Amino acid sequence: DTAVSQTPKYLVTQMGNDKSIKCEQNLGHDTMYWYKQDSKKFLKIMFSYNNKELIINETVPNRFSPKSPDKAHLNLHINSLELGDSAVYFCASSPIAKNIQYFGAGTRLSVL
Amino acid sequence: LAKTTQPISMDSYEGQEVNITCSHNNIATNDYITWYQQFPSQGPRFIIQGYKTKVTNEVASLFIPADRKSSTLSLPRVSLSDTAVYYCLFRPMDTGRRALTFGSGTRLQVQP
Repeated sequence: DTAVSQTPKYLVTQMGNDKSIKCEQNLGHDTMYWYKQDSKKFLKIMFSYNNKELIINETVPNRFSPKSPDKAHLNLHINSLELGDSAVYFCASSPIAKNIQYFGAGTRLSVL
Repeated sequence: LAKTTQPISMDSYEGQEVNITCSHNNIATNDYITWYQQFPSQGPRFIIQGYKTKVTNEVASLFIPADRKSSTLSLPRVSLSDTAVYYCLFRPMDTGRRALTFGSGTRLQVQP
């Protein structure tokens, strides 16, 4: 039983395409997150979201958008993919008001 | 933006104690400091969390001085399986939308 699961694990696509990464958590947590990890292993938060508030990192291009159909899912949509979007994207979840986050295994995105 | 610093890398031998420090000079007043461990091709995994002074669990200790401008993760008697990247996580006070920030990460290499 995977607590936080992401699909796909690998995603290879061409510049200009639109893609989505799905995330599901079965922990009953209230808050979900998306992170980007670059080739130097820096982890940067992109979004945090609960049913009341979406917090966006201001440096994230508006080509990236989170979509949450329900509390257990937070999908990441990316429009007009660019070479610089190549990275590993992690989804995470946490109980409300806690910093103890549970991470998925990551999605490695390669934009050609 | 708050400046976070961690040593880029550290080397140790099995059985030694390892201390990794994270500087967070502008941490939000009421938030915890959390440390994570990341193995290759996996998402970060929670190790320990604290607010002030010292916290200890079965795998690590966390030391936080009174001014909370830094924190030190202490791993007692490391083994080869502790080879990983270690990150601190906190919330900077100057982030208007209260976005969480990971430290730059410390790559720990444990040798026999």
